[in-house]
Amino acid sequence: DAKTTQPNSMESNEEEPVHLPCNHSTISGTDYIHWYRQLPSQGPEYVIHGLTSNVNNRMASLAIAEDRKSSTLILHRATLRDAAVYYCIPIRDDKIIFGKGTRLHILP
Amino acid sequence: EPEVTQTPSHQVTQMGQEVILRCVPISNHLYFYWYRQILGQKVEFLVSFYNNEISEKSEIFDDQFSVERPDGSNFTLKIRSTKLEDSAMYFCASGKVPLYNEQFFGPGTRLTVL
Repeated sequence: DAKTTQPNSMESNEEEPVHLPCNHSTISGTDYIHWYRQLPSQGPEYVIHGLTSNVNNRMASLAIAEDRKSSTLILHRATLRDAAVYYCIPIRDDKIIFGKGTRLHILP
Repeated sequence: EPEVTQTPSHQVTQMGQEVILRCVPISNHLYFYWYRQILGQKVEFLVSFYNNEISEKSEIFDDQFSVERPDGSNFTLKIRSTKLEDSAMYFCASGKVPLYNEQFFGPGTRLTVL
């Protein structure tokens, strides 16, 4: 499984954009890059995923570097509800191997 | 919106007792999973299940653990003889074709072994 590196924690102000980085330099060509998050006292929740192209959905955008060795999750306008641990996970089969993720704090 | 449900929300048991954790996955999903999270630690993969058999299991999923899909809706995790270190949140998840699709997680069952 590809190793990932994420900041332990980040802070952002409410209603501002947040860019959460992830390095996955050992990713293989067929690994999809998935992002999940875990809100306090809840189960993990899917955010977004992609392979090579940038992706957008109602929750976030995913920017994938051309060499695929890094990606950035973008929350366009953070709310207090976005305070969570965010996990960047390269996936090549069906199991999810969670790392420590980035704990995102949102300041009102 | 369909969701994965789990019962009970909290289970307290004595060491050495058997427990069964129950999950109702989303109805048109074919892939099922159990994960656990010890307090303050990472979420850990336990087992994946497809077509009525285990697809993959982790080192944690030893002979004390078993999974079953006894009918068309439930997916269960049994721990035969619980140990103190089995205390954790247990999350069930389900999904469609993996890799290209997300897994949907339930709210979890908190297992406390005394």
